[in-house]
Amino acid sequence: DIQMTQSPSSLSASVGDRVTITCRASQSISSSLNWYRQKPGKAPHLLIYAASILQSGVPSRFSGSGSGTDFTLTISSLQPEDFATYYCQESYLAPYTFGQGTKLEIK
Amino acid sequence: QVQLVESGGDLVKPGGSLRLSCAASGFTFSDHYMAWVRQAPGKGLEWVSYITNSGSGIYYTDSVKGRFTVSRDNAKNSLYLQMNSLRAEDTAIYYCARRIYYASGSNFDYWGQGALVTVSS
Repeated sequence: DIQMTQSPSSLSASVGDRVTITCRASQSISSSLNWYRQKPGKAPHLLIYAASILQSGVPSRFSGSGSGTDFTLTISSLQPEDFATYYCQESYLAPYTFGQGTKLEIK
Repeated sequence: QVQLVESGGDLVKPGGSLRLSCAASGFTFSDHYMAWVRQAPGKGLEWVSYITNSGSGIYYTDSVKGRFTVSRDNAKNSLYLQMNSLRAEDTAIYYCARRIYYASGSNFDYWGQGALVTVSS
């Protein structure tokens, strides 16, 4: 199975900050990488797919980049609703592994 | 708008069985692959199973093979997960999700609110 490792596991930031979360795959996954945001008590919500394509309706402050094994999710200016947990997910090979999550907390 | 509504979550004893349902609306259900993804309490996300739009292709993660069965009824716009021989480690919120393919992969673009399955004596 492909292993997905996110860093950091947790992060403290303030409204308006720019933050970056990284995701590393244990083997090359081309651009088969998705990012989700999960607010407490809610289902995950798709933000970005194919490493860099913004899902319809997702604010432009979210962006993604990378290919191969290294990927990043950047939020350009944090909003209150962005304090949540973020997951990357590979869709290159079953079992379509998710990263362990990055919890973004208010400083 | 797209809606996915799970039902059937419950407390069940180890070794027991449970059937989850997911009612879909707001899109042409028979055109889409569907999946189940679970999340143990306080833990991350784990893909469990997916089924092709016609139901002819079915895939499971290794830990549930032989115990879980996914199915769908396109006439009823419904997805199901039959879970047998349940173990404590199957305790989780189970999400129904729509699976969408793109050029280099796939994603889960819509999710239900989840159904809680607790396996405990």
